[in-house]
Amino acid sequence: DAMVIQNPRYQVTQFGKPVTLSCSQTLNHNVMYWYQQKSSQAPKLLFHYYDKDFNNEADTPDNFQSRRPNTSFCFLDIRSPGLGDAAMYLCATSRVSDTQYFGPGTRLTVL
Amino acid sequence: RKEVEQDPGPFNVPEGATVAFNCTYSNSASQSFFWYRQDCRKEPKLLMSVYSSGNEDGRFTAQLNRASQYISLLIRDSKLSDSATYLCVVGRSSNTGKLIFGQGTTLQVKP
Repeated sequence: DAMVIQNPRYQVTQFGKPVTLSCSQTLNHNVMYWYQQKSSQAPKLLFHYYDKDFNNEADTPDNFQSRRPNTSFCFLDIRSPGLGDAAMYLCATSRVSDTQYFGPGTRLTVL
Repeated sequence: RKEVEQDPGPFNVPEGATVAFNCTYSNSASQSFFWYRQDCRKEPKLLMSVYSSGNEDGRFTAQLNRASQYISLLIRDSKLSDSATYLCVVGRSSNTGKLIFGQGTTLQVKP
């Protein structure tokens, strides 16, 4: 049974065209994370929610925004995707200081 | 300097071999330590947590040396299915659950 679900699994967008990626979880975890992973690189944390508290990483570009309307759902909005934003976007959840569980990821292509 | 450093490999070993991966971290305040496994184009999955006393799970043994800020993973009797990228992961603080990922070490087990 999938515990962290990401949609879509593959997203193709055009340069500058906004895109929204979604993540949902059935674990009732209070922390949700968004990571960006480029080929042969480590996952890079963009931001996370601790319950409703939003925590942005200092080096996350303003182009990336997030929303968490309730415990189960979290969205990643990319306002104006550039070619350099093509990557795998991973959502993860955890109880605080506990193991993180990752979703299958959304692979974003920017044309 | 990266906060978590790993030799990216690749490590090419025959089936049945024993292979060891090393990892160093720079933040002495780090509190939690993990090895994650990531298959090609898939999400990271927890392989094992790493404790100061060392811990073993079947063919896998993890060690932590806090004084040297060094983490290791030993895989005995390698299987073809062990082929993957192994990510060394360090938790910064027990309050936030934030994880810092190494770039991973790629293992290829050959028949």
